[in-house]
Amino acid sequence: ETGVTQTPRHLVMGMTNKKSLKCEQHLGHNAMYWYKQSAKKPLELMFVYSLEERVENNSVPSRFSPECPNSSHLFLHLHTLQPEDSALYLCASSQSSGAPSYGYTFGSGTRLTVV
Amino acid sequence: RKEVEQDPGPFNVPEGATVAFNCTYSNSASQSFFWYRQDCRKEPKLLMSVYSSGNEDGRFTAQLNRASQYISLLIRDSKLSDSATYLCVVNEVGYQKVTFGTGTKLQVIP
Repeated sequence: ETGVTQTPRHLVMGMTNKKSLKCEQHLGHNAMYWYKQSAKKPLELMFVYSLEERVENNSVPSRFSPECPNSSHLFLHLHTLQPEDSALYLCASSQSSGAPSYGYTFGSGTRLTVV
Repeated sequence: RKEVEQDPGPFNVPEGATVAFNCTYSNSASQSFFWYRQDCRKEPKLLMSVYSSGNEDGRFTAQLNRASQYISLLIRDSKLSDSATYLCVVNEVGYQKVTFGTGTKLQVIP
């Protein structure tokens, strides 16, 4: 039990589909993140939300759309994805004040395949 | 130069061996450092923070060398269960500026 729950664990979608990834944290953290992990590449930060406001998006394509309705929930809405978007999408949370001294807590990830 | 660089390995070591990994970082303004462990097809999990004075947690020792801009992880008496990919994480100022290395794969063999 990581304290950060992601659903679904696996997702296969066509390029014309619309789907959403969900993340929920039960740790009382103030910041939540979406990361992308592709094979043989470092984790790439996609979005950061602190106190429910987006603070960084790192020039992610608009086909990825985040939503953070409250400090415990985070969504990543997907539409018209490309095959190169296939990857492991990880949600994480941390305390928001300054550097994350205690690091991140990651969810188990959603393994996305775009066909 | 990559922001955070790690030898991808794999490091194949026998049980009981001592193994060390280094991770170099390019930004001298980096403030905090971590080692994460990631098992195959699982999420990364925090292994330990790295403090300026060095720190130890059981068989694991982490050290920081600011002058040469690298951190290290030493694992003593390797166990089969230590087999994983070890990710180096470097943070500048604030939670937005966190950079992950690509990881070093360790395989402990019987």
